[in-house]
Amino acid sequence: SQQGEEDPQALSIQEGENATMNCSYKTSINNLQWYRQNSGRGLVHLILIRSNEREKHSGRLRVTLDTSKKSSSLLITASRAADTASYFCATDGIGATNKLIFGTGTLLAVQP
Amino acid sequence: SQTIHQWPATLVQPVGSPLSLECTVEGTSNPNLYWYRQAAGRGLQLLFYSVGIGQISSEVPQNLSASRPQDRQFILSSKKLLLSDSGFYLCAWSRSGGVIYEQYFGPGTRLTVT
Repeated sequence: SQQGEEDPQALSIQEGENATMNCSYKTSINNLQWYRQNSGRGLVHLILIRSNEREKHSGRLRVTLDTSKKSSSLLITASRAADTASYFCATDGIGATNKLIFGTGTLLAVQP
Repeated sequence: SQTIHQWPATLVQPVGSPLSLECTVEGTSNPNLYWYRQAAGRGLQLLFYSVGIGQISSEVPQNLSASRPQDRQFILSSKKLLLSDSGFYLCAWSRSGGVIYEQYFGPGTRLTVT
């Protein structure tokens, strides 16, 4: 079964707006990662946040982590048409060394 | 810099035929290697991972097998394909160690079993 579940499954916004995607997971983790996948391509790593961190920024990306609620959010500010992609969260799970479990993904469409 | 290659990019195979997908990594040593399958519009399912030559961990019992004959080579195989084996197959690598690092993905192979 999936460790992470993203919400919403699909999101459509206008260029310039902010996009927020959420991820919930089931077990304790060491870290949580976010990836982007353009249609028909491999995944690209965006950002990693450790379990002892609450917020992390990278360019237009802001990730938060709430381990008490077992949830994370990815915020993309000032979205662009090029941000159109699927976004996945992935967690390791304490004791699950060497592997990640990916969520089901959020499909983001940014309209120009 | 590190590079990961996967081939072929697309493949159409009849039911019952064999399969061999290859993945190679350049620019790093002793990587962890992974095979995932992605059904249309779905998330990634981890199939196999390897922490060293000849060391394969299987995550899902299925019609597929994996091998790692060299440090930076990972092969996904099947003796007889099923219709349900259709999907998008992704290979990935990460640094090795006891910590979970970010993973780097290849371009993927689109497999259609007819």
